[in-house]
Amino acid sequence: DTAVSQTPKYLVTQMGNDKSIKCEQNLGHDTMYWYKQDSKKFLKIMFSYNNKELIINETVPNRFSPKSPDKAHLNLHINSLELGDSAVYFCASSQGRANTEAFFGQGTRLTVV
Amino acid sequence: AQSVTQPDIHITVSEGASLELRCNYSYGATPYLFWYVQSPGQGLQLLLKYFSGDTLVQGIKGFEAEFKRSQSSFNLRKPSVHWSDAAEYFCAVAAWGRDDKIIFGKGTRLHILP
Repeated sequence: DTAVSQTPKYLVTQMGNDKSIKCEQNLGHDTMYWYKQDSKKFLKIMFSYNNKELIINETVPNRFSPKSPDKAHLNLHINSLELGDSAVYFCASSQGRANTEAFFGQGTRLTVV
Repeated sequence: AQSVTQPDIHITVSEGASLELRCNYSYGATPYLFWYVQSPGQGLQLLLKYFSGDTLVQGIKGFEAEFKRSQSSFNLRKPSVHWSDAAEYFCAVAAWGRDDKIIFGKGTRLHILP
């Protein structure tokens, strides 16, 4: 049973489109994250939610909008996709504070053409 | 601000040789430190973590890491690497507080020679 699952695994789309990536965790964690991994493998946090509340928004364009319907889900919606949005997007979850690590999903490889 | 530096972008070692991957961190308080591994096309898997106590921590797959506060380092070691260890390795520090987040280094790509 997958702890953190994201769908889809691959996403190819044209510039200007709107797309969503879904994430679900069955670990009972309070905190969920979205990370972006660029072509050089650099992992940068985008958003963090704790109990459905936005905690971190790391200078991400407002074309990116996370939505957390409940604490087990954190979806990422991207409007007006640009070529520079091509990357691997990772969802992760953790218990939130002290003495915890993050558990990662398998990633969604987004390619904008 | 918190940061993590992995000075080596690529490391190549022969199968059976020992390995040390370097990591230096910058954090004002006692850090929570992690090493993650990412195999090609996969997500990140936790190898080991340090929160407190014994500064030498053991992880999965035969890896260990040593926390040295005086050097702000948390280097990853393995006495004898296997071809399956070829992957990207990320050191990370947890910045807990108002903004809960884990900050990653830029990664070290490990290549194994047969």
